[in-house]
Amino acid sequence: QQPVQSPQAVILREGEDAVINCSSSKALYSVHWYRQKHGEAPVFLMILLKGGEQKGHDKISASFNEKKQQSSLYLTASQLSYSGTYFCGTEISGGYQKVTFGTGTKLQVIP
Amino acid sequence: EAGVAQSPRYKIIEKRQSVAFWCNPISGHATLYWYQQILGQGPKLLIQFQNNGVVDDSQLPKDRFSAERLKGVDSTLKIQPAKLEDSAVYLCASSQVTENIQYFGAGTRLSVL
Repeated sequence: QQPVQSPQAVILREGEDAVINCSSSKALYSVHWYRQKHGEAPVFLMILLKGGEQKGHDKISASFNEKKQQSSLYLTASQLSYSGTYFCGTEISGGYQKVTFGTGTKLQVIP
Repeated sequence: EAGVAQSPRYKIIEKRQSVAFWCNPISGHATLYWYQQILGQGPKLLIQFQNNGVVDDSQLPKDRFSAERLKGVDSTLKIQPAKLEDSAVYLCASSQVTENIQYFGAGTRLSVL
């Protein structure tokens, strides 16, 4: 089942903050976050594992609520380079490594 | 470190023709993925290999799509015959078995006319 992201799109001015949410109907082992700029490949940002371990970007933070099967990505003091489409990916069981990507959130940062 | 290599970058074909895409993963990455990304949507997994074995191909339209990963390194994805709805970007990604961080190639943009 594909995770659902919200909002679908957001426009920010430089320096503003944003939150992107990802919700699944299934119990999750991990949540992944990727950013894709127009015409480019998705780039890994962060992975949040069941039990609290996180790996990833030092300027972007995220949370993972295992009980609610939800994750949120926090973009603070946004820069123009943050523009792109953000995808969450959910993994149901560890070891299998199959990631199902969400619907995407298009973020545009303007001067 | 070299990234995931894909070719060609662009391909235009007519419906009912066949097409093949090639992917070379990052050296040492045992897991290789093929995704289809339709404009405005998230990547959809078509097939996942671990070494040269198939881990998941539940969403691969097997009547027209095929993929192989000989010798557990590079891989090819084939469509035969192509349909209009196959127009998409085909992304290849790879990861280590011990760490599920996927590294994507630049993709092949397929247009079926």
